Amino acid sequence: DGGITQSPKYLFRKEGQNVTLSCEQNLNHDAMYWYRQDPGQGLRLIYYSQIVNDFQKGDIAEGYSVSREKKESFPLTVTSAQKNPTAFYLCASSVAGTSGSYEQYFGPGTRLTVT
Amino acid sequence: GNSVTQMEGPVTLSEEAFLTINCTYTATGYPSLFWYVQYPGEGLQLLLKATKADDKGSNKGFEATYRKETTSFHLEKGSVQVSDSAVYFCALSGGGGADGLTFGKGTHLIIQP
Repeated sequence: DGGITQSPKYLFRKEGQNVTLSCEQNLNHDAMYWYRQDPGQGLRLIYYSQIVNDFQKGDIAEGYSVSREKKESFPLTVTSAQKNPTAFYLCASSVAGTSGSYEQYFGPGTRLTVT
Repeated sequence: GNSVTQMEGPVTLSEEAFLTINCTYTATGYPSLFWYVQYPGEGLQLLLKATKADDKGSNKGFEATYRKETTSFHLEKGSVQVSDSAVYFCALSGGGGADGLTFGKGTHLIIQP
């Protein structure tokens, strides 16, 4: 059963600690993405990777880091430098659809709460 | 840069009513356009898409037509059900490839029985 898994579903951390969110896909997609969702703000792109061992900053990369050592995995680390880390984090992957549309498929998300 | 504007919510309708959620966009080149749906506590699911002007995307009774002249991609459904209650996001992908989607802020739809 192909799809994207994110773990854990809920994560709690103390301020000042780094935390890593997991994202795994078995869809054989080349591209992977991390988005942050806040109430009333839609989704904002944090980082994306079009190929293994390469990634680019999105619109709100400050305070985050990623790695892409394997095609299937794209973990996101929320560092202590991120000012407002409490949010819902969504991972996605894509392959070029028909007509090169690059439709994205999303995981179930991880809700991070930092206190 | 690219941007997507969609109507603010919540939108509250009675079951079997006609639905329209407006979406307009600003983009360079020839973007692909998408509607995604999010149920409470879940990730996003692709609802429909259109890749070129005048294309109509459709799925589960929902439709949207890519209007280049008005830069719009309005979502419609002829008769909504309680199960359609969710948050709907309009999004676009730039013509450059797999560099991420630009999303609107989402419209919360509430259908009352």
